[in-house]
Amino acid sequence: NAGVTQTPKFQVLKTGQSMTLQCAQDMNHEYMSWYRQDPGMGLRLIHYSVGAGITDQGEVPNGYNVSRSTTEDFPLRLLSAAPSQTSVYFCASTRGRKETQYFGPGTRLLVL
Amino acid sequence: AQKITQTQPGMFVQEKEAVTLDCTYDTSDPSYGLFWYKQPSSGEMIFLIYQGSYDQQNATEGRYSLNFQKARKSANLVISASQLGDSAMYFCAMREGEGYSSASKIIFGSGTRLSIRP
Repeated sequence: NAGVTQTPKFQVLKTGQSMTLQCAQDMNHEYMSWYRQDPGMGLRLIHYSVGAGITDQGEVPNGYNVSRSTTEDFPLRLLSAAPSQTSVYFCASTRGRKETQYFGPGTRLLVL
Repeated sequence: AQKITQTQPGMFVQEKEAVTLDCTYDTSDPSYGLFWYKQPSSGEMIFLIYQGSYDQQNATEGRYSLNFQKARKSANLVISASQLGDSAMYFCAMREGEGYSSASKIIFGSGTRLSIRP
């Protein structure tokens, strides 16, 4: 069981570039989320999904898009990267509201 | 207003001592859940313990227990007999409500860095 996988592990972008952070889970979880973690801070919710075809905004959605065409995949798109988006990005999935979230290993993004 | 407050940015504890990490929360929803996660220096997020707002007893998982004081809106993590491997960041988190989206909308505190001294 791979759990939650994220690619790439590390990425450097120039301001204005776009990219997609990939997230996949093989646990058949309906609920998935994207977080960012800035140095010395907790995780902040960017976008989340409650099932294929259903997504919604979290605390800090600006500059990011998501889609959920399958249960397994939940990619996060940066539309036009800015230095303020330098962060570690975590994807998570869960079976339900009383269950823990399973986190991916994170993607470290540096925007120059 | 912050929904999850962790007032201890850092703590030092002697090995084998018990340690309490503070967490207070703010919600008007009667149904909510509280989580604690550990993040070692390697960066992964490790689930430790969960407490539901309607749970009658405080949650326990091995050396971890959650001191849940509903009226005070506090959910402190207690680690008994601390070990060197407990050195990490610890995050308190909350989900609110019973709606369809509540499983995905987890809000995190800013964390406490725990360092265990040998």
